[in-house]
Amino acid sequence: DAGVIQSPRHEVTEMGQEVTLRCKPISGHDYLFWYRQTMMRGLELLIYFNNNVPIDDSGMPEDRFSAKMPNASFSTLKIQPSEPRDSAVYFCASSFYRDSTYEQYFGPGTRLTVT
Amino acid sequence: QKEVEQNSGPLSVPEGAIASLNCTYSDRGSQSFFWYRQYSGKSPELIMSIYSNGDKEDGRFTAQLNKASQYVSLLIRDSQPSDSATYLCAVNRPQGAQKLVFGQGTRLTINP
Repeated sequence: DAGVIQSPRHEVTEMGQEVTLRCKPISGHDYLFWYRQTMMRGLELLIYFNNNVPIDDSGMPEDRFSAKMPNASFSTLKIQPSEPRDSAVYFCASSFYRDSTYEQYFGPGTRLTVT
Repeated sequence: QKEVEQNSGPLSVPEGAIASLNCTYSDRGSQSFFWYRQYSGKSPELIMSIYSNGDKEDGRFTAQLNKASQYVSLLIRDSQPSDSATYLCAVNRPQGAQKLVFGQGTRLTINP
């Protein structure tokens, strides 16, 4: 089975530009998560969806960040306008119910550099 | 106090020895505990999950959970150079069972 798919794998953009990150979860998984990882702050949860509905976006840093999940097989994370401090690796993860809990599986990540 | 704490390392272990990684958490209501392995430049990979007190073994890996003391550990037997990576401990938040809080990770190096 294909794992979580993310695109692009690398993104370099200038400050002020709009950035869109894409994610395809594992088929059959009903939860989707967006994380950000930096050396300083580690791995942080930004937002998660259940059955395409946003459940908790308390980790989204600012209004510049938005996420959507129009269907069960696609989600986007958008940053507009981007700033240098948004530079990080962004991971998408998905999960399904097993053994009374959900195990999350991560995609390869998108390395974002904002200059 | 951080929600999930790990020694950042680096932890250096000779090949063939047992590597012991530890994690403490602050929320007594947490029910699910996970260990992820992350190679440099790669994404976290789930290697163990544990939900009940005691030990859970999977190949060379053993996860140990002690809810009374609020700690989780991961033992790697017969350590191999390919085990060199950062190991992340993750704990669920009771109020949002799907929400995981990750520790900063322990960098493990296995020396041939």
